[in-house]
Amino acid sequence: QVQLVESGGGVVQPGRSLRLSCAASGFTFSNYGIHWVRQAPGEGLEWVAVIWYDGNNKYYADSVRGRFTISRDNSRNTLYLQMNSLRAEDTAVYYCARHVSSQRNFDYWGQGTLVTVSS
Amino acid sequence: DAVMTQSPLSLPVTLGQPASISCRSSQSLVYSDGNTYLSWFQQRPGQSPRRLIYSISNRDSGVPDRFSGSGSGTDFTLQISRVEAEDVGVYYCMQGTHWPWTFGQGTKVEIK
Repeated sequence: QVQLVESGGGVVQPGRSLRLSCAASGFTFSNYGIHWVRQAPGEGLEWVAVIWYDGNNKYYADSVRGRFTISRDNSRNTLYLQMNSLRAEDTAVYYCARHVSSQRNFDYWGQGTLVTVSS
Repeated sequence: DAVMTQSPLSLPVTLGQPASISCRSSQSLVYSDGNTYLSWFQQRPGQSPRRLIYSISNRDSGVPDRFSGSGSGTDFTLQISRVEAEDVGVYYCMQGTHWPWTFGQGTKVEIK
């Protein structure tokens, strides 16, 4: 079955960096775009970034553009989110979610990993 | 950005009674291919979001038929015909027509 497992979250000081990973299984990873979506504590969902199946196209939310970088390693079935210059407002659970191109949304989500930016 | 506005934000419902959630977009969600990319997600307490409905009215596999979606253009609705205890959670609409993709604020469904 389709599985997406995030890891790499933790507590980090403002201005520092963190890299999240999303390990995929149960489907042909290299055929799908993957998104990052985040949810601040007690808040709603915010789309963060997406990378196309081949890594050639990437899109970012204005709130993270220039600070976050999405990438993937199709040989390892893994998605990454490099987060630099972290701010308190980046505190959230980060989910990876599989892109469904024909429907322009996500079908499967991971369980999320919590990032806390605090001094 | 396409701003998605849901109402109500809180919805207490009696078991077995119907529930309806509205979602309005600041822009038409009709894409250049003629399709409308409006989805609904359910997030139960402590869980990840789960897709219920895509392209306005298509139910995902395994989603009970008491859930239905409707609407067009900028106005959309999620209806639950008879609320059950397992339906408690927060429901989000999401548009995939315009970049960036955007979500509504969420509607919290609880049992009275």
